[in-house]
Amino acid sequence: GENVEQHPSTLSVQEGDSAVIKCTYSDSASNYFPWYKQELGKRPQLIIDIRSNVGEKKDQRIAVTLNKTAKHFSLHITETQPEDSAVYFCAASMTGYNFNKFYFGSGTKLNVKP
Amino acid sequence: NAGVTQTPKFRVLKTGQSMTLLCAQDMNHEYMYWYRQDPGMGLRLIHYSVGEGTTAKGEVPDGYNVSRLKKQNFLLGLESAAPSQTSVYFCASSSDRQGPNEQFFGPGTRLTVL
Repeated sequence: GENVEQHPSTLSVQEGDSAVIKCTYSDSASNYFPWYKQELGKRPQLIIDIRSNVGEKKDQRIAVTLNKTAKHFSLHITETQPEDSAVYFCAASMTGYNFNKFYFGSGTKLNVKP
Repeated sequence: NAGVTQTPKFRVLKTGQSMTLLCAQDMNHEYMYWYRQDPGMGLRLIHYSVGEGTTAKGEVPDGYNVSRLKKQNFLLGLESAAPSQTSVYFCASSSDRQGPNEQFFGPGTRLTVL
């Protein structure tokens, strides 16, 4: 099955700096890559996603890039703010296979220092 | 529109006791999922369902059973709880529209097995 690896496991940045979280996947059939943010004690919530026919997607301070050849995708957060502090999860999914089964990375704890 | 709800929010069990976790969604989604979340391990799929009356095993199904008697509900049962099942359990649902679809998560159930 699919294997998703996520790095780093923890990331500490100064407010205003950029943060980058990277994920790799193993199955070339994966075609949907969402990113979730989970605040302490809360549920995971989708913040951005990308499909395999797109190389990059932006939403204000957040962007995701996808390299299908290398099988990796990354989350970029610019001008970080203390409220960006949370655990971020990447995931990979295959449309039409396994009924939208999702495979998650192990998470990155982002700490934005004021 | 409540989205995905879970009951109970917290539960403490003794080893060998049984319990059922209830997940309900009001978005008319076909697909529903049960995950467990342990520190440093991301979200792992326990069981999932692709429609009313159907269930299938995920990555870590041992010690759990599920039922989907109604489209809006997905129940997770622990027949004989073990300390290794101490975890946070998340239910999720997604649409069966063609193409990759976002998963919506419930608020989670924190289970402790003594």
